[in-house]
Amino acid sequence: AQSVTQLGSHVSVSEGALVLLRCNYSSSVPPYLFWYVQYPNQGLQLLLKYTTGATLVKGINGFEAEFKKSETSFHLTKPSAHMSDAAEYFCAVSVDNQGGKLIFGQGTELSVKP
Amino acid sequence: DAGVIQSPRHEVTEMGQEVTLRCKPISGHNSLFWYRQTMMRGLELLIYFNNNVPIDDSGMPEDRFSAKMPNASFSTLKIQPSEPRDSAVYFCASSPTGRILDEQFFGPGTRLTVL
Repeated sequence: AQSVTQLGSHVSVSEGALVLLRCNYSSSVPPYLFWYVQYPNQGLQLLLKYTTGATLVKGINGFEAEFKKSETSFHLTKPSAHMSDAAEYFCAVSVDNQGGKLIFGQGTELSVKP
Repeated sequence: DAGVIQSPRHEVTEMGQEVTLRCKPISGHNSLFWYRQTMMRGLELLIYFNNNVPIDDSGMPEDRFSAKMPNASFSTLKIQPSEPRDSAVYFCASSPTGRILDEQFFGPGTRLTVL
C-alpha cells in the first residue's frame, strides 16, 4: 500500500527566506507524486507533479520539487517566500494500479512572517 | 468555466438528520471524486466515479454514507442518519479522464457541522 508522510505540520519562514516542505512516500511500485496547495476557505489546487523523466519538477508560483528515489522523498522548495505563499500544502502519491486515486499526506501549514 | 460547484457551502444540522451534499463537476470532465477533510484524519478519498459509475468506494466510512452520480453534471453525497463525528469539510473534485496523470480540480468544499 502507498502512503505519504509530511514532516512538520507547521512551518514558519520569514518573507524572502527559503521555503522547504518535506515529503516522504512509501510505494512498492514506481509512484506518481503531486503537491497541492490549499488557501484558506478554498479547495486544493495543483502546484506540480512528477510522473517520469526529469526528477526536478517546476510548478506554479516559483515552486519546485525534486524526486529522489533513493531517499523516497519529494520535497517542495521555493527560493524566496512571499506573504501570499501562506497556505496549507499537501503531498500526494498515486500509482498505476490505483487509477486516479490519490493518497494525501497530513498537510503542512506554511506561515510567512513579514 | 465556473469550476467545480458545491452546495451548500455550510451546513449545520442535528444528529440523526439526513444531510445531502451536492456537486457539479467541470463540464466535460469524466471523473468525480468525493473527499472528506478533518483535523484528525486529514484528507481522505471517500468514493470516485468514472463516466458516472462508482469505481472505488472503499473509503466510504459506513452504510450511513451513500453517493450517486445520476448524470455527468451532478453528484450527491448523502449521510443518513448524521452523527457529530461526521463533522468535516467535504470536497468534490473532477478530472478530465480520471487517469492518475490528470489534475484534479477541487471545489470550495462544504463545511458540515453535526450537533
